[in-house]
Amino acid sequence: EVQLLESGGDLVQPGGSLRLSCAASGFTFSSYAMTWVRQAPGKGLEWVGFIRGKGFGGTTDYVASVKGRFTISRDDSKNIAYLQMDDLKTEDTGMYFCTRGRGGADHWGRGTLVIVSS
Amino acid sequence: DIVMTQSPDVLSVSLGERATINCKASQSILYSSNNNYYLAWYQQKPGQPPKLLFYWAFTRESGVPDRFTGSGSGTDFTLTISSLQAEDVAVYYCQQYYIAPYTFGQGTKLEVK
Repeated sequence: EVQLLESGGDLVQPGGSLRLSCAASGFTFSSYAMTWVRQAPGKGLEWVGFIRGKGFGGTTDYVASVKGRFTISRDDSKNIAYLQMDDLKTEDTGMYFCTRGRGGADHWGRGTLVIVSS
Repeated sequence: DIVMTQSPDVLSVSLGERATINCKASQSILYSSNNNYYLAWYQQKPGQPPKLLFYWAFTRESGVPDRFTGSGSGTDFTLTISSLQAEDVAVYYCQQYYIAPYTFGQGTKLEVK
């Protein structure tokens, strides 16, 4: 059974940093792209970025609003994807989901909550 | 960036009636090499992560009831529920995954009239 479990969400001050983790199981992790999607309270879904699988160079893409502040990485030996978030802003507040794949995400974690507030 | 625009924002439908949600892409999301539309539909219920309903615009995900249908062409796509059930009350999103950033529509809230 495919499982994705996010962790690392917390209350952080503006300008601070957090690292989110997504622990994966039940599939060949290294073969899949992994994507982060966020959702501000009461709002819609926003695609944050993704990292390609090893076979596609493990390269990344990001939405413009997080470029230069967020970094997605992966450790295929541990089956974990990471979202490093720096210089956090209040508008980064929300639930962060990791998903399997690039598009048409067939598996989602339950999310981890990030609150950016002073 | 490709803008995905859904309509309506809120849809009220009686149980047993048809529900239709539209999604329009600001540019083509058809990859000519494989003739696939890079479009997905998701259902999200309160307090839950989204659930994939369709990918490649028309391919129903395993376990999704056949009262759900994905259709469309060009830049206009439709999610149809042929006979609304109480458990279908949710917010529905379309997403393009043709060009990064892989943008979502703003969502359509489906409620029972």
